[in-house]
Amino acid sequence: DAGVTQSPTHLIKTRGQQVTLRCSPKSGHDTVSWYQQALGQGPQFIFQYYEEEERQRGNFPDRFSGHQFPNYSSELNVNALLLGDSALYLCASSTRGLQETQYFGPGTRLLVL
Amino acid sequence: EDQVTQSPEALRLQEGESSSLNCSYTVSGLRGLFWYRQDPGKGPEFLFTLYSAGEEKEKERLKATLTKKESFLHITAPKPEDSATYLCAVQAPGGGNKLTFGTGTQLKVEL
Repeated sequence: DAGVTQSPTHLIKTRGQQVTLRCSPKSGHDTVSWYQQALGQGPQFIFQYYEEEERQRGNFPDRFSGHQFPNYSSELNVNALLLGDSALYLCASSTRGLQETQYFGPGTRLLVL
Repeated sequence: EDQVTQSPEALRLQEGESSSLNCSYTVSGLRGLFWYRQDPGKGPEFLFTLYSAGEEKEKERLKATLTKKESFLHITAPKPEDSATYLCAVQAPGGGNKLTFGTGTQLKVEL
């Protein structure tokens, strides 16, 4: 049973560029959440997708956008990259329901130069 | 706004030396409290979910407890492989199942 997978594992971009990160949820899961984790900090919620729509959003600017596909996989897009966007980007999957546990992928390490 | 505070920030133990990690939270109605373990450069690994005050859960050398204001992660006779950052997160009512995390406790267990 495959867990949550993310690609790429590492990425280096320059300021002003755009980036797309990808996530495949755990088998049987239909909800995907994205988190940003800066070094030495806990993960910060970006947004959550269910039924191909953004259902909940954290305190992140519109430069952060996403998409969910019919097979439940998801993409996170970040436009006009800033140095402060350098972080570990985590995808978590769950089933739609209250109190459902979220299972995390290995993350994508983004470095913005 | 939901808040989670973890203490200590870092903890160094000798192998076999038991201790506890603390997670204090402020949330308007707790839906669930989650403990995760995170190794350097990896994604968080799920450990426990607690839903109501008085609840306890155990897994190997770890035991999590919950009160109305805080949760403890007790580590009994730790081994070097227990070294990791332990993250606490809360889930509140009000839409979705967003997790609000603390900054974690970095645990190092030495021989």
